[in-house]
Amino acid sequence: EVQLVESGGGLVQPGGSLRLSCAASGFTFSSYWMHWVRQAPGKGLVWVSHLNSDGSVTNYADSVKGRFTISRDNAKNTLYLQMNSLRAEDTAVYYCGRSSGYVDYWGQGTLVTVSS
Amino acid sequence: DIVMTQSPDSLAVSLGERATINCKSSQSVLYSSNNKNSLTWYQQKPGQPPKLLIYWASTRESGVPDRFSGSGSGTDFTLTISSLQAEDVAVYYCQQYYSTPYTFGQGTKLEIK
Repeated sequence: EVQLVESGGGLVQPGGSLRLSCAASGFTFSSYWMHWVRQAPGKGLVWVSHLNSDGSVTNYADSVKGRFTISRDNAKNTLYLQMNSLRAEDTAVYYCGRSSGYVDYWGQGTLVTVSS
Repeated sequence: DIVMTQSPDSLAVSLGERATINCKSSQSVLYSSNNKNSLTWYQQKPGQPPKLLIYWASTRESGVPDRFSGSGSGTDFTLTISSLQAEDVAVYYCQQYYSTPYTFGQGTKLEIK
């Protein structure tokens, strides 16, 4: 069974940093591209970033480019999202997802709140 | 960026009746290498992550009831629920995965009339 479990969310002040993790199991993690998607409270889904199976190719939404970094550790079956220079508008539930082009499996999400 | 626009924003349908949600992309999402449209539909219930319903515009994900169907090509797409059940109350999103950023529609909230 495919499982994706996010962690690392919490309350952070504007300008601060946070690193999210997504632990994957039930599939060959190193064979799949992976995504991060976020959802602000009461709002719609927004694609954030993805990277290829070996981590050498990454893409970002303009709203996070230069502030967020996606990475992976295939030995640990874990996806990461390093978030720097956080803003109030980054407040959201962050989901990791397995990619088949589209997201075919989603984690339960982790809440990031940026507030003073 | 490709803009995805769903209509309507909300929809109320009686149990057993048909529900239709539309999604329009600002440019074609037809992937020439396989002649398929890079368009998915997701269902999201409160407090839950999205669930994949349809990919390549019309391929139903395994385990999804056959009352859900997707159609369309190029820039215009439709999600149809043929006979609405109580458990189908949710927000539905389309998304294109033709080019980054992989944009979503704004969502359509489906309720029971």
